[in-house]
Amino acid sequence: KAGVTQTPRYLIKTRGQQVTLSCSPISGHRSVSWYQQTPGQGLQFLFEYFSETQRNKGNFPGRFSGRQFSNSRSEMNVSTLELGDSALYLCASSLDVGYEQYFGPGTRLTVT
Amino acid sequence: DQQVKQNSPSLSVQEGRISILNCDYTNSMFDYFLWYKKYPAEGPTFLISISSIKDKNEDGRFTVFLNKSAKHLSLHIVPSQPGDSAVYFCAARASGSARQLTFGSGTQLTVLP
Repeated sequence: KAGVTQTPRYLIKTRGQQVTLSCSPISGHRSVSWYQQTPGQGLQFLFEYFSETQRNKGNFPGRFSGRQFSNSRSEMNVSTLELGDSALYLCASSLDVGYEQYFGPGTRLTVT
Repeated sequence: DQQVKQNSPSLSVQEGRISILNCDYTNSMFDYFLWYKKYPAEGPTFLISISSIKDKNEDGRFTVFLNKSAKHLSLHIVPSQPGDSAVYFCAARASGSARQLTFGSGTQLTVLP
């Protein structure tokens, strides 16, 4: 079974731009979660989707948004990028909310 | 407010010895706990989990212990191997409708040959 895939793997943007990251979950998984990882901060939860509905949301500003499609693929969007948004963005899929999550390799976003 | 805390950012252990990674939590609604391992440039991979109805779960060299009264869990790796060098995250899930996983900040384990 193919694992979680994330595209692109690396991205460089400038302040003020917007970015869209994509995640394809493991086949059969209907829940997709997004996390931001920065040095020393661990994994900060962004949001979780199940069957195209946002089930949970972390404490991030409204510049961070996401969506899930009918095939369970998910995208997250960050608008008006700031230098502090530079991080590794991880997507994880699971059968259902709260179950073991399987992570993709992440997208490394650098904002200059 | 960090609901899941890993107070040791790093740990060094000699090959063949025991590695003990610790995790504390504050939310008494957490009923399921997991450990993940992360290598550089890769996403975290699921290692082992434990339900709050148990106090111990073993899988090969990995054992997780849960002390509900102290709100503390630990991961024991015996014997430690150089390939175990990675960042280890503990995570917890609450019962009820808000069941997303809450992660700790991670502990970098280095196993010295």
